[in-house]
Amino acid sequence: EAGVVQSPRYKIIEKKQPVAFWCNPISGHNTLYWYLQNLGQGPELLIRYENEEAVDDSQLPKDRFSAERLKGVDSTLKIQPAELGDSAVYLCASSLALDTGELFFGEGSRLTVL
Amino acid sequence: QKEVEQDPGPLSVPEGAIVSLNCTYSNSAFQYFMWYRQYSRKGPELLMYTYSSGNKEDGRFTAQVDKSSKYISLFIRDSQPSDSATYLCAMSNYGQNFVFGPGTRLSVLP
Repeated sequence: EAGVVQSPRYKIIEKKQPVAFWCNPISGHNTLYWYLQNLGQGPELLIRYENEEAVDDSQLPKDRFSAERLKGVDSTLKIQPAELGDSAVYLCASSLALDTGELFFGEGSRLTVL
Repeated sequence: QKEVEQDPGPLSVPEGAIVSLNCTYSNSAFQYFMWYRQYSRKGPELLMYTYSSGNKEDGRFTAQVDKSSKYISLFIRDSQPSDSATYLCAMSNYGQNFVFGPGTRLSVLP
């Protein structure tokens, strides 16, 4: 069974440019998460989806970040415009249901903003 | 005080040593406790998952949860150089989001 797939793995952009990350969760996983991981830190939640509904986006900086999961399967996270402080790893994760306690991560998308 | 505390290390041990990794937490409502291993430039990989208190063993890995002390541990027996990675603890309550510790960087020296 394929794991969580993310692309691109690496992205380098100039500040003020837009960037988008894509995630395809494990088949059948209804819950999808986007996390931000800074160097030397644990993942921090940006947004959580239950199917196509964003049920927790309280930590998403909505002035520049947006996300969508239109058909309840794959998801896109966008930053526009990017700032220097956005340089980090963006991790996508999925779980079968919120109450299983088992979260599976993708390899991450490493963003560098110059 | 952060919700989940973890010594960031780095922790260096010789091959074959027993490694003890720990996290403390403040939210007594947490029910699910997990340990993830993260290699450099990779995503976190689920190692151990425990519900509520008690011990769980899987090969060379043992996870312990002491809810009365709000303290969880991961033990690695007969550590190998391939165990060199960052270990993240994570925890959650039913219907709530996962909270991660900052991770402990482990190096197992041959």
